[in-house]
Amino acid sequence: GQSLEQPSEVTAVEGAIVQINCTYQTSGFYGLSWYQQHDGGAPTFLSYNALDGLEETGRFSSFLSRSDSYGYLLLQELQMKDSASYFCAVKGATNKLIFGTGTLLAVQP
Amino acid sequence: EPEVTQTPSHQVTQMGQEVILRCVPISNHLYFYWYRQILGQKVEFLVSFYNNEISEKSEIFDDQFSVERPDGSNFTLKIRSTKLEDSAMYFCASTKPGQIQETQYFGPGTRLLVL
Repeated sequence: GQSLEQPSEVTAVEGAIVQINCTYQTSGFYGLSWYQQHDGGAPTFLSYNALDGLEETGRFSSFLSRSDSYGYLLLQELQMKDSASYFCAVKGATNKLIFGTGTLLAVQP
Repeated sequence: EPEVTQTPSHQVTQMGQEVILRCVPISNHLYFYWYRQILGQKVEFLVSFYNNEISEKSEIFDDQFSVERPDGSNFTLKIRSTKLEDSAMYFCASTKPGQIQETQYFGPGTRLLVL
C-alpha cells in the first residue's frame, strides 16, 4: 500500500520557526511536493524536491532524504496568515499526487 | 496569472442522480487530474488524463465515474448515479510537462452534497 504520515496538528507563535515532517511508503517515487490549503480551499503549491537535500523558497524550505523516505517543510518567520493545513504529496509515474494525511498549523500571536 | 476554474462552486443533488462537474484547465497545460477531499480528510487522487485518454485511475474511480474533454478547453467529471458517500469537495488540477518543479495547479473546487 501507499501511505504518507504527518503530524495531525502543530501550534507555534508568530515569528517562530516550525518544521512539519512527512514519512512516506509508496510504490514509484518521483519527488515530494508540499501544498498549503486554507479552510478547504484549493491546495496551492509550495515546494518540490526530486533529489536529496534542501530547497529554499523565501520563508519556506523543504528537505528530502530518499534513503530514509522522509522529508520536511520548514516555515520561518511565521505569520498569522500561515495558519492553514499543509500536505506532503508524493509524485507518481503518471504525475499523479498521493497526498499525506495533512498537518493543521495554528499560528498564535 | 492563468488559473484553473471550476463550475459550479456548489452542487446539491439527490442520491441516484447524475452530476457533471466542469473544469477549465490552464490553456497550455497537457495533463489534467481530478481529486476529491471528503470533509476533514486528505486529498485523494481520482484520475489523470493525457492526450485524450485516461492515464491512470484510482480504486475510487469505479464505473460510476467518467471523464471527458469535449472540446479544447473543458474537462468534465461525470458521476452517473450519485451515492451519499460521494459528498466531497472535488478539485480539478492541471500541469504542464517539463516544468522544473512539476507544479500541479488546482482549481477552487466544487463542493458536492448528495442527499
